[in-house]
Amino acid sequence: QVQLQQWGAGLLKPSETLSLTCAVYGGSFSDYYWTWIRQPPGKGLEWIGEINYSGSPKYNTSLKSRLTISVDPSKNQFSLKLKSMTVADTAVYYCARGHWVRVPPTAFANWFDPWGQGTLVTVSS
Amino acid sequence: SSELTQDPAVSVALGQTVRITCQGDSLRNYYASWYQQKPGQAPALVIYGKNNRPSGIPDRFSGSISGNTASLTITGAQAEDEADYFCNSRDSSDNLQVFGGGTKLTVL
Repeated sequence: QVQLQQWGAGLLKPSETLSLTCAVYGGSFSDYYWTWIRQPPGKGLEWIGEINYSGSPKYNTSLKSRLTISVDPSKNQFSLKLKSMTVADTAVYYCARGHWVRVPPTAFANWFDPWGQGTLVTVSS
Repeated sequence: SSELTQDPAVSVALGQTVRITCQGDSLRNYYASWYQQKPGQAPALVIYGKNNRPSGIPDRFSGSISGNTASLTITGAQAEDEADYFCNSRDSSDNLQVFGGGTKLTVL
C-alpha cells in the first residue's frame, strides 16, 4: 500500500516562500509523475505541477515564474517551493502520485492516486 | 492549456441514476479521471482510463466518453455518494494537466 506523507509550514506572511515536501512510502518511485495540487478554501482543484523520476518538471503556466518542483530519488521524496506568496495562494496543498498510460489505439489516460493528507497553507500578514 | 467544464451542481433521488459530465477538447485524446471529495477530506480517485475503478470503489460508479464529453454515472445513488466530484485530464497540446471546476452532488 503506497502512502504519501507531506509536511511544511502552514502559516506564511506575504512575500515569503512556501516549502513543502512529500515522502513516498512503498511502491516504485521511478514509474510515476509526482504531482502537486492545491485547493483554495471552498473552491476547486488546481494542478500546480509535476516532476518525474529523472527530474524533468512541468509547471502550471500561471505559477511557472514562482515555482520550483524538485525530486530526491535517494529519499523517495519530492518538494515544492513557491516564491512571493500572496493571500491568493492560501489553499490546501496536496501531493499525489500521477499515473500515465497509453490506451490503444490512439488515446492516453492519466490519474492521481494516492494523495497525501493535504497541508493547509495560510498566507496572512 | 485547455479547460474542462462541469455543471456546478446536480441532484439525484436516493436509489436513482445520475450522470455528471465533463466537457473539454483535451478529452478527445485523454480519458478523464474522476475524483470524489467529501468535506474535510482529500480527493479520492473513483474512475480512471476507459472505465476502471480502483479497489474499494463500488461498481455503481462507471465512466464513459463521447466525443469531447466524459461522464461519470452513479447507478443507484446512495446517501454516502453525496460529495463534490472533479474531472481531470491532460492537454495533449502542451502536456499540462487541468481539472474541471467540480460538481456538487446532492442525494435527496
